[in-house]
Amino acid sequence: AQTVTQSQPEMSVQEAETVTLSCTYDTSENNYYLFWYKQPPSRQMILVIRQEAYKQQNATENRFSVNFQKAAKSFSLKISDSQLGDTAMYFCAFMTNFGNEKLTFGTGTRLTIIP
Amino acid sequence: EAGVTQSPTHLIKTRGQQATLRCSPISGHTSVYWYQQALGLGLQFLLWYDEGEERNRGNFPPRFSGRQFPNYSSELNVNALELEDSALYLCASSVLAGVGTDTQYFGPGTRLTVL
Repeated sequence: AQTVTQSQPEMSVQEAETVTLSCTYDTSENNYYLFWYKQPPSRQMILVIRQEAYKQQNATENRFSVNFQKAAKSFSLKISDSQLGDTAMYFCAFMTNFGNEKLTFGTGTRLTIIP
Repeated sequence: EAGVTQSPTHLIKTRGQQATLRCSPISGHTSVYWYQQALGLGLQFLLWYDEGEERNRGNFPPRFSGRQFPNYSSELNVNALELEDSALYLCASSVLAGVGTDTQYFGPGTRLTVL
């Protein structure tokens, strides 16, 4: 069974600073997908970024980037130039390929951006 | 393009009753997923429907059931409600199932409260 661990329950950072959220996972699969979702107080789960395990290049989406270390089973999210709207719960999620497409989530990191 | 929609936003039931939650996927998406987000338990996978069939099921009792209609919308039914069923129920949809893995996009959720 796959597990996803987020070891930082809460984090806070000043606006405009950079913050990194950690995520580790455990799997015996070789092909899989990793995601970061954010859940603001409105509770809508929003996709932040996605990484395919077969791609060595780290995914980036504007101010959001990941550091994907497949051997270490680590998938951290870096938020640059943080903004007040980044305040949310952030969930790391894992999905295997080939017809078993359920997301396994970590417990989340509550990120607060301080003005 | 309209996102995933869910109804109702809030639902209050008493123990022993039945609850029906509804989800409409993004246009063109054939797969619908249900997740439960309960306090202290995190996000857990409930059910996956694709092309009208149940494809996968999480570790939940049989009183959690659902179906997918020909227009790909879905219902989640919870029978014999228990207090611990109180949670946010999230629906997600994706384009294709079983042909690679596509990203799941979430709806705003239904907050179920069991009294």
